[in-house]
Amino acid sequence: GQQVMQIPQYQHVQEGEDFTTYCNSSTTLSNIQWYKQRPGGHPVFLIQLVKSGEVKKQKRLTFQFGEAKKNSSLHITATQTTDVGTYFCAPYSSGSARQLTFGSGTQLTVLP
Amino acid sequence: GAVVSQHPSWVICKSGTSVKIECRSLDFQATTMFWYRQFPKQSLMLMATSNEGSKATYEQGVEKDKFLINHASLTLSTLTVTSAHPEDSSFYICGVQQGFGTEAFFGQGTRLTVV
Repeated sequence: GQQVMQIPQYQHVQEGEDFTTYCNSSTTLSNIQWYKQRPGGHPVFLIQLVKSGEVKKQKRLTFQFGEAKKNSSLHITATQTTDVGTYFCAPYSSGSARQLTFGSGTQLTVLP
Repeated sequence: GAVVSQHPSWVICKSGTSVKIECRSLDFQATTMFWYRQFPKQSLMLMATSNEGSKATYEQGVEKDKFLINHASLTLSTLTVTSAHPEDSSFYICGVQQGFGTEAFFGQGTRLTVV
């Protein structure tokens, strides 16, 4: 079955530094979504990537989907304290059977 | 974005009793609803996926007789934790999708404490 690893598990950065989290799958994905969960909150949808090699930007956030559609990354430029939270990838494969599962998540702490 | 209403936001119950958690999609008809369990500092663990009018599909290791899911309509799903035990204490979150593979929206979650 599909195995997804998300790294790093934790990341502490100084405000203004960049941050990247990676999601790696053992199988080819049809698409991948990214969500953010603030402490004590619920997941909020950020983006969906569908095409091989796709790159999407949302202000300081850059999302990439690998050429082989087996990995994805989220990069935040010049982090702010409002970026604090846990970032999850949610990969879809052809055998997902309508499931929405999440990677292990990367918990980001931004130090002022 | 869509609004998902989940109630209650927190509940404390005695061991052996049952607790019902309600999830409503307020803005659209949700063809698929998901139930998750989340322990502190961990990811969301999918418990079951339900489609309106059909039985829920439970993930491996999740007891369907203990965690009863009813997807009564395109806007309402309920999760009942039966004969709750302290180890069932957790954060339960529902998610809804209008179509498979589309953006999912989540409820605020329910903090269940079994004493």
